[in-house]
Parts: sequence; C-alpha cells; structure tokens
Amino acid sequence: QSALTQPASVSGSLGQSITISCTGTSSDVGSYNLVSWYQHYPGKAPKLMIYEVTKRPSGVSNRFSGSKSGNTASLTISGLQAEDEADYYCSSYLGSNTYIFGIGTKVTVL
Amino acid sequence: EVQLVESGGGLTQPGRSLRLSCEASGFTFENYVMHWVRQAPGKGLEWVSGISWNSMAIGYADPVKGRFTISRDNAKNSLYLQMNSLRAEDTAVYYCVKGTTLKYFDYWGHGTLVTVSS
Repeated sequence: QSALTQPASVSGSLGQSITISCTGTSSDVGSYNLVSWYQHYPGKAPKLMIYEVTKRPSGVSNRFSGSKSGNTASLTISGLQAEDEADYYCSSYLGSNTYIFGIGTKVTVL
Repeated sequence: EVQLVESGGGLTQPGRSLRLSCEASGFTFENYVMHWVRQAPGKGLEWVSGISWNSMAIGYADPVKGRFTISRDNAKNSLYLQMNSLRAEDTAVYYCVKGTTLKYFDYWGHGTLVTVSS
C-alpha cells in the first residue's frame, strides 16, 4: 500500500495558522478514527503530537489540533512559532496489525 | 522516564543478515505492543513491523514480509528485528517504538543506522 498523501511543504509566517492535510482511502483514514501525527526534527526521535484524530498528549501545546473529514485528516498549527519548523507525518491504522505513514510535510516558518 | 535504546546497526552487503535489538526501560515492557519504524535517507517514515505484548499478533509491511522477523523477550525487556536477504533499499535509520492499544506510537528511540551496500 502506498503512503498517505501529504503536501511536500507548507509555509507560514510567525503567528499565522497553517493546515497540513493527510489523504488516504476508505480502507485506512476513512475506516478508523486512529490517525496520529508526529513532529520530527532531522536527527532526533519523532514526537507524538496528536492521536485518535483530535487528542493531544500531555505536554503538547494546544496550538496543535487535529481533525478528519472522510478520507482526509488534517493537522492545524495555530500561532506559528519558529520552533514549529520541522517535518510532520501522519499515520493511520490499516487493520490486521499493520500501519501506514504519510509521505511527510516540511513546515517552514517565514 | 521511558527509554528505548537500539543497537545492532551497521554496514553490510546485499543478501546478508543483521539483527537489531532494542532495550526498553521506564515502563512495563511486557504490557505493550512494540514496533520498528524506519526512515531511508531523504525519505519519510515507514512502518516496518509490530508485535503484540504476548507475541501472538504480528504484522509486517509488504516490502519486508518474508525477509524480516520481529520478536521480543519480555524477561529481558527487549525487542528484536532479524533482517535477512538485505537489499540496498533497506538502508535506513531503524527506530524502536512503543505502541499503544489505540494504534499510535507514543515513544521513540533515537534509531540505529543500517547501511546495505556492496
């Protein structure tokens, strides 16, 4: 199965809001409310930002929020800050103990 | 504090084997599903394999099915990935990842680099 579709890059100015989409199919994103998002700085361990589409782990800023409509999930970062510049990946459960990631989105803060 | 420390990576030739290990601490290892996720140079994250707490439920990504074997030893708080018939496209940083019953990955190791090249 191919990776979930994400825009290669998204940019925004300090303080702005940006949204990253994650498009799958009715077999993955559309079938399960089990989409999660990860922030990844190159050379570091990825960090969980959102799970179960909309839930935020303890310690993650409330500037990060998630949503889903049909086969597309989205991550919104509001009040963009310099430290938000990183790669972001979505992930979905596929069933049968398998998972899939998105191709990743590079966020640039202008 | 949850810690996941991978080891076993290195340079190997196509067709050879390698075994990765992950030593876990800071949580009750035997209670959780565990995964391996990789990132090839310049590419995105790719889920490789996952194993349930009791090793009864195991999954593999299509590119590694039949070549890689995931296992765990709960007595040693350790996760393993036996990689056989390695290919150049298996070159990547391999991350050991703690999973959850709600199908997300909440803690990641720092990864171990596997390079497959002649």
